[in-house]
Amino acid sequence: KQEVTQIPAALSVPEGENLVLNCSFTDSAIYNLQWFRQDPGKGLTSLLLIQSSQREQTSGRLNASLDKSSGRSTLYIAASQPGDSATYLCAVGGGAQKLVFGQGTRLTINP
Amino acid sequence: DVKVTQSSRYLVKRTGEKVFLECVQDMDHENMFWYRQDPGLGLRLIYFSYDVKMKEKGDIPEGYSVSREKKERFSLILESASTNQTSMYLCASSLRRQGKSGAQYFGPGTRLTVL
Repeated sequence: KQEVTQIPAALSVPEGENLVLNCSFTDSAIYNLQWFRQDPGKGLTSLLLIQSSQREQTSGRLNASLDKSSGRSTLYIAASQPGDSATYLCAVGGGAQKLVFGQGTRLTINP
Repeated sequence: DVKVTQSSRYLVKRTGEKVFLECVQDMDHENMFWYRQDPGLGLRLIYFSYDVKMKEKGDIPEGYSVSREKKERFSLILESASTNQTSMYLCASSLRRQGKSGAQYFGPGTRLTVL
């Protein structure tokens, strides 16, 4: 059974820093991996989708990488801003079109 | 942009009531999903559907049923609401390409409280 882990559970950094969020998964037989952000009390916003054949995806200040063989993905956020404060969730896509989610990393950017 | 809408942001119901949560997507996606999200337990899949009138059980289907009569609409039904069904309910949809799922897009969520 696929298990997805995100460490740390919470992270606090000063504004302007570059940072990396980590995601690990136990079964490397995946179709894709998706990163989301969630603001308190709201739904999930899709940030990046990496297909299993890809190594990375970029969108603005965000860059996500995927290493299937080691069961790891990272989300790199450049030049962090207070508006980046949210919970970031990693989800792995396997068979039957389903996603398995990590517990998330709660990120706080301090002005 | 993909738009997934849910019928209510907040809902308060009494124990034993029948509850309908509705989800509509406007991107002609084949796949639709219902999750619940609870502190410390994360997101858990209740049911999903990969086509009209098709449904598959997720990880926690007990106490729930679903209906998909039209491609754009996926309903979650709590047959007899109980207090342990108090939760945030999230709907999502995705495109199916060559048998694999595209990115999932989520609605704003419905916070259901059962008294």
